[in-house]
Amino acid sequence: KNQVEQSPQSLIILEGKNCTLQCNYTVSPFSNLRWYKQDTGRGPVSLTIMTFSENTKSNGRYTATLDADTKQSSLHITASQLSDSASYICVVTLQTGANNLFFGTGTRLTVIP
Amino acid sequence: GAVVSQHPSWVICKSGTSVKIECRSLDFQATTMFWYRQFPKQSLMLMATSNEGSKATYEQGVEKDKFLINHASLTLSTLTVTSAHPEDSSFYICSAATGGTYEQYFGPGTRLTVT
Repeated sequence: KNQVEQSPQSLIILEGKNCTLQCNYTVSPFSNLRWYKQDTGRGPVSLTIMTFSENTKSNGRYTATLDADTKQSSLHITASQLSDSASYICVVTLQTGANNLFFGTGTRLTVIP
Repeated sequence: GAVVSQHPSWVICKSGTSVKIECRSLDFQATTMFWYRQFPKQSLMLMATSNEGSKATYEQGVEKDKFLINHASLTLSTLTVTSAHPEDSSFYICSAATGGTYEQYFGPGTRLTVT
C-alpha cells in the first residue's frame, strides 16, 4: 500500500535553533519527493523537489535529503525564524503522472521567541 | 511564474445554498486541475481531477452531484458545492498542472463555512 508517514506530528523549538523533520514512504514506483510549507489558512508552497538520483537539495535555510534505498527523507531547517511556524508536508509522486500524489499528514512546527 | 489563484479566499453561506469556487492559472495553461479538501489538522485529500474540456474524475466517496466541477478552459476550473451543509465546511484547495510536466502548483485555498 502506498503511504507517506511523517514524524514528529508536532514540534516546538526556540527561535534560532535547528530542527529536522522526517518522512518515510512506501510509494512505488517512485518519481519524486517534494517538501511543502503550508501556513495556516494558505495553500502549500513548494520548498524542494528531489528525484530518485538526488541525495540532497537546498533552498535557503531548508535542506532536504533523500535516501531512495531506505525510502526516507528529511527536511532540515537551520537558524529557525518565527515565520517558519507552519505545517511541513512531504509529498511523494508515482511515476505514472501528476495525479498520483501521496501526501503525508504533515509536521506542525511552532517556533517560539 | 506558475501562479494559481482562487476566489473567493473565504465564504460563509447558509445551509441549503450553493457556492462556487474559482481556480485560475494566471501565467500558464493548465491541462489538468485538481481539487482537494483539507479538514483541520489533516492533510490534503484529493476530491477530483479534471482535464480541460472533459468530465472530472472523482475519488471514491466524493459525490459528483454534490461537488460539481467544470474545467471549461485551460486557465479556469470551478468547484460548485451544491446544497451545502455544515459538514461541507472545510478548506478547499485547487492545484494546476501542465501537460509537459508532473508538477502541481497549488492555489491559496478557499475557506468555506456553512451555517
